Amino acid sequence: AQTVTQSQPEMSVQEAETVTLSCTYDTSESDYYLFWYKQPPSRQMILVIRQEAYKQQNATENRFSVNFQKAAKSFSLKISDSQLGDAAMYFCAYRSAGYGGSQGNLIFGKGTKLSVKP
Amino acid sequence: NAGVTQTPKFRVLKTGQSMTLLCAQDMNHEYMYWYRQDPGMGLRLIHYSVGEGTTAKGEVPDGYNVSRLKKQNFLLGLESAAPSQTSVYFCASSYDSPLGYEQYFGPGTRLTVT
Repeated sequence: AQTVTQSQPEMSVQEAETVTLSCTYDTSESDYYLFWYKQPPSRQMILVIRQEAYKQQNATENRFSVNFQKAAKSFSLKISDSQLGDAAMYFCAYRSAGYGGSQGNLIFGKGTKLSVKP
Repeated sequence: NAGVTQTPKFRVLKTGQSMTLLCAQDMNHEYMYWYRQDPGMGLRLIHYSVGEGTTAKGEVPDGYNVSRLKKQNFLLGLESAAPSQTSVYFCASSYDSPLGYEQYFGPGTRLTVT
């Protein structure tokens, strides 16, 4: 069974600085997808970024980028120019590739709470 | 386009009472999910459905039942609520695709069982 580990329960960053959130996962599959979700105090789960395992290029979305190391099974999220609105819980998630059954299920890490200091 | 909606947003139950949480999506998604979120535990899958009329157990199914009579709706039932079921419940939906499309989440339901 796949597992996802976020080893940093809490992180803090100064506004305008850069912060990196860590995520490691365990799987025997070669094809899969990885996600970072953001959960602000409103509780709404918001997709931040998505990475396909077959792509070597790291995904980027504006100030958010990932460092995907497939061999090391590592998937960290870098937030550049941090803003007050980035303060939230961040969840790393894994999804198998393929159709049907449980293939679409997400496996979540326990989350990292990010605080942004003005 | 409302996306994924959940009813109710808050509920307080007494031990032994029953209730049903309703999830609705208007994106024509095949897959629907129910998760619970507890402090320090992340999101854990309760039950899921890969299409109308089908359901399957997730990681923590005990004490819950589900039904998917219509494609757009996914109901989560608690027959006899227990304090251990105090949690925030999220519904999500996604396309049936091998392409790894993300799950879209509802706003959550905070349930307290006293």
